[in-house]
Amino acid sequence: GAVVSQHPSRVICKSGTSVKIECRSLDFQATTMFWYRQFPKQSLMLMATSNEGSKATYEQGVEKDKFLINHASLTLSTLTVTSAHPEDSSFYICSARVWGFRGTGELFFGEGSRLTVL
Amino acid sequence: AQTVTQSQPEMSVQEAETVTLSCTYDTSESDYYLFWYKQPPSRQMILVIRQEAYKQQNATENRFSVNFQKAAKSFSLKISDSQLGDAAMYFCAYVNQAGTALIFGKGTTLSVSS
Repeated sequence: GAVVSQHPSRVICKSGTSVKIECRSLDFQATTMFWYRQFPKQSLMLMATSNEGSKATYEQGVEKDKFLINHASLTLSTLTVTSAHPEDSSFYICSARVWGFRGTGELFFGEGSRLTVL
Repeated sequence: AQTVTQSQPEMSVQEAETVTLSCTYDTSESDYYLFWYKQPPSRQMILVIRQEAYKQQNATENRFSVNFQKAAKSFSLKISDSQLGDAAMYFCAYVNQAGTALIFGKGTTLSVSS
């Protein structure tokens, strides 16, 4: 199947600093990628849809100035958590939908990134 | 708006037994995709099985099968011959045909005992 790689898998930062998480599609081009946030033992919450070459679409309640998304190429989307605070500590997951891959519209997920803000 | 409901927060099964996880959804669309994803302790999301709404035949993947009832908007997952490695959180997911709506259920934590 298609491969989505996410980096870093774990990051610890000080309060007030910014952290960048990368999401790469390794063997396919992804015009659209999705960013999720997941709290322990809870479901995935869609934060935003990242569109290559255009602005991301944020879900209601997600601060676009805090969670900056850039999708500069067909294989890379980045999520930057700006001025991070302890309440931003969470597990962040990216995914990409492969159009035309066996015609199923399957979502492929990155490995996830655990952010801890001290 | 579309919704996905998993009414069983936790389920348990003995090794080699069969367990069914339930999922219901609501949509006004006729074409869409339904998925079951597994999230083990590693937290990597793994696709278990997919179903295209236009297909009447229930999808099967080895020990995993679904009971897709389109009229009832029901999409349950049956795991046969359960194994210890099946222990994980299972998410039911709905994706519309355009790919603009991706909705996950709240998940069901499955434990498997020997």
